[in-house]
Amino acid sequence: GNSVTQMEGPVTLSEEAFLTINCTYTATGYPSLFWYVQYPGEGLQLLLKATKADDKGSNKGFEATYRKETTSFHLEKGSVQVSDSAVYFCALPNSGYSTLTFGKGTMLLVSP
Amino acid sequence: NAGVTQTPKFRILKIGQSMTLQCTQDMNHNYMYWYRQDPGMGLKLIYYSVGAGITDKGEVPNGYNVSRSTTEDFPLRLELAAPSQTSVYFCASRPEGSIGATPANTEAFFGQGTRLTVV
Repeated sequence: GNSVTQMEGPVTLSEEAFLTINCTYTATGYPSLFWYVQYPGEGLQLLLKATKADDKGSNKGFEATYRKETTSFHLEKGSVQVSDSAVYFCALPNSGYSTLTFGKGTMLLVSP
Repeated sequence: NAGVTQTPKFRILKIGQSMTLQCTQDMNHNYMYWYRQDPGMGLKLIYYSVGAGITDKGEVPNGYNVSRSTTEDFPLRLELAAPSQTSVYFCASRPEGSIGATPANTEAFFGQGTRLTVV
């Protein structure tokens, strides 16, 4: 079935550093790909998504490009802030599209 | 627009007790889900529903039951609580997508979670 693999954390950065969180996927067909963010003590919320190959999703300075050739959907941000400290999850629908499969999550810690 | 609402937010249960975690959504979504998130871990799917009257097991259904009598509500029942069920539980809903289309492109909306401790 469809699956995602994302880099393990925690990722520790200083404010204004460049961020990359890797995500690779295995999928039947070309489902949408998602990045979710979970701030401490909260539920998950959608950060961005891409619905087809070569699409770039973006939100709050974060970007990710749906790369069919490398089956990747890496999350990037040019300059992180302390407020970006959270857990980030890569996700995609299962092959029947009835459920969403999530990666294990990557914790990001940004220090001033 | 309330979105997905879970109650209670916190609960402590004794071993062997039972309880129901409530989940309701006001977005008229067909798909609803229950996930659990253990400390430092990702999400594991417990049960899901693709519409009223239809439920199916996820990865970790043992020890849980669900029902879906209405589009809005999707309660999760723990019959005999065990310490292994200590976790944070998240309910989510997801639209089916455009009429006649598959939900390949639709995202899930999550509740704030229920933190359950079994002692």
